[in-house]
Amino acid sequence: QKEVEQDPGPLSVPEGAIVSLNCTYSNSAFQYFMWYRQYSRKGPELLMYTYSSGNKEDGRFTAQVDKSSKYISLFIRDSQPSDSATYLCAIPPRGAQKLVFGQGTRLTINP
Amino acid sequence: DAGITQSPRHKVTETGTPVTLRCHQTENHRYMYWYRQDPGHGLRLIHYSYGVKDTDKGEVSDGYSVSRSKTEDFLLTLESATSSQTSVYFCASHGTSGINEQFFGPGTRLTVL
Repeated sequence: QKEVEQDPGPLSVPEGAIVSLNCTYSNSAFQYFMWYRQYSRKGPELLMYTYSSGNKEDGRFTAQVDKSSKYISLFIRDSQPSDSATYLCAIPPRGAQKLVFGQGTRLTINP
Repeated sequence: DAGITQSPRHKVTETGTPVTLRCHQTENHRYMYWYRQDPGHGLRLIHYSYGVKDTDKGEVSDGYSVSRSKTEDFLLTLESATSSQTSVYFCASHGTSGINEQFFGPGTRLTVL
């Protein structure tokens, strides 16, 4: 079983929709959880991260962690065409200077 | 933003030839990484470095070697390129403080014919 699983999509929604992106993980020792955004033909960039179970909000974006279910989510409200990108969850194993990435979900917001 | 550059940005080569990709960062970051990105697989770690001359293998290291003789440079070598190594290669780096926020380069698109 992969340490981090993410539905690769693709996901296509109309502008203004609420988007939900999800990952599951297998190792309960993970301490914090990250979401990267990657525009076409660019390198990924950190979008947001959260340490503990619960929600973290940043503008139209909300990151949610459910440690009991080993499930993390990224919600995008009032989605815009500029949100079209690939979103990757990433989790750092405890004590390791590495990241384990999900497969990435390609998202398209249609005007 | 961290200054990370990769060269070349695009390369086409033939099976069996050696290929070296270069990553250069100007942030004095201690840690550097090489990933490959393929459809359906996301980002997979090839090798990483935790200091000058200190490197370790990632999950897909077979057929690849790395070297780091200076803090700012991290080289990835495909000793004898194969078609299965056709991919987009990303370099990343991060410093020693805070969370493991990795800053990525623009990528190198490699095609092995």
